[in-house]
Amino acid sequence: GAVVSQHPSWVICKSGTSVKIECRSLDFQATTMFWYRQFPKQSLMLMATSNEGSKATYEQGVEKDKFLINHASLTLSTLTVTSAHPEDSSFYICSARGGQSDGYTFGSGTRLTVV
Amino acid sequence: AQRVTQPEKLLSVFKGAPVELKCNYSYSGSPELFWYVQYSRQRLQLLLRHISRESIKGFTADLNKGETSFHLKKPFAQEEDSAMYYCAPSANAGGTSYGKLTFGQGTILTVHP
Repeated sequence: GAVVSQHPSWVICKSGTSVKIECRSLDFQATTMFWYRQFPKQSLMLMATSNEGSKATYEQGVEKDKFLINHASLTLSTLTVTSAHPEDSSFYICSARGGQSDGYTFGSGTRLTVV
Repeated sequence: AQRVTQPEKLLSVFKGAPVELKCNYSYSGSPELFWYVQYSRQRLQLLLRHISRESIKGFTADLNKGETSFHLKKPFAQEEDSAMYYCAPSANAGGTSYGKLTFGQGTILTVHP
């Protein structure tokens, strides 16, 4: 079945540094990937839609200069949290549509802690 | 505005009892509807989608366009059904399949022995 690999699974960084999170579709091509953010005990909030070969589409209220998305190939999208601050600490999840079920397949998530 | 509501944050039942997790949506057009499940310490998994009309792990969900609801049901709950359940509509993007998927608040189902 369709598999989405997300890396790293957790990361701790210092305030002011940047962190890159990778999302790969392992056995299918994904022209579109999605990035979500999840706060503790809350639902997933869609941040942006990542489109292969073009600019990402950000949801209202999400800073595009803060959360840089690159979707350079049909199997890889990256989310870079730039100049991270403690309030950026969260659980980030990517997903892609495709594969056999044609549903949305989710990565295992990345726990970001900014200290 | 597009909105999905899961009115129950917590739902507890005993093993063998019927369970219904409610979902109401407010979407323009004809969204595609999904239920996703997240078991403890695992990633989100697709449970079912309305267009396939299949039953997974004994769960079914019927789309009621009149009531704009997509409630998830199971006649006999099992302990292993304990998890977080999300109702998630996807807006149809110009006829393609790659619309945005947004999530309800989620319902934590606990099935007691």
